[in-house]
Amino acid sequence: EADIYQTPRYLVIGTGKKITLECSQTMGHDKMYWYQQDPGMELHLIHYSYGVNSTEKGDLSSESTVSRIRTEHFPLTLESARPSHTSQYLCASSAWTSLPYGYTFGSGTRLTVV
Amino acid sequence: DQQVKQNSPSLSVQEGRISILNCDYTNSMFDYFLWYKKYPAEGPTFLISISSIKDKNEDGRFTVFLNKSAKHLSLHIVPSQPGDSAVYFCAAIYNNNDMRFGAGTRLTVKP
Repeated sequence: EADIYQTPRYLVIGTGKKITLECSQTMGHDKMYWYQQDPGMELHLIHYSYGVNSTEKGDLSSESTVSRIRTEHFPLTLESARPSHTSQYLCASSAWTSLPYGYTFGSGTRLTVV
Repeated sequence: DQQVKQNSPSLSVQEGRISILNCDYTNSMFDYFLWYKKYPAEGPTFLISISSIKDKNEDGRFTVFLNKSAKHLSLHIVPSQPGDSAVYFCAAIYNNNDMRFGAGTRLTVKP
């Protein structure tokens, strides 16, 4: 079954640690996205990719980095986690023409930095 | 710059009644609008969409209305069911570029 997977679902980590949030999709989608969401707030685009070796920063400034070495894989890395990074991170993907269904989202990673 | 706004953070309705969720946008270049539904601990899932060339799209109990002159869209759920309780996000896109989301409205349908 085609889907998009995020791991871990929950992560509690200490300040200063390096973390990588995993995102993989099995739909062969060219476009992939990372959104950050705080409770009661809109989803903010922090990174996106339109294909292998293509990555761009989104609207919301983020200290995280991403890579796209394989079509199906779009990991997000924080070199040194801080409490301000505590949030929910949602990965999404879409075909080149995403309409009319938009994006397919993963279940998210809820990150807590203590 | 928040281009898509959902000004009601929460809405509570009785089972069987109509739920109306509202969304406003500022960018007149948006040409497609979508609604997503999100349960706790899950990612948003697509619910219904509408092109800017239409003013209404219906899918079962869900209808989306678009008023371009007012830059306003709404989602109607009739009849509302307890299983509809979730957070609903309005989203907008233009020229097949990146999607912009509102802050969401938490709908609670009481039995």
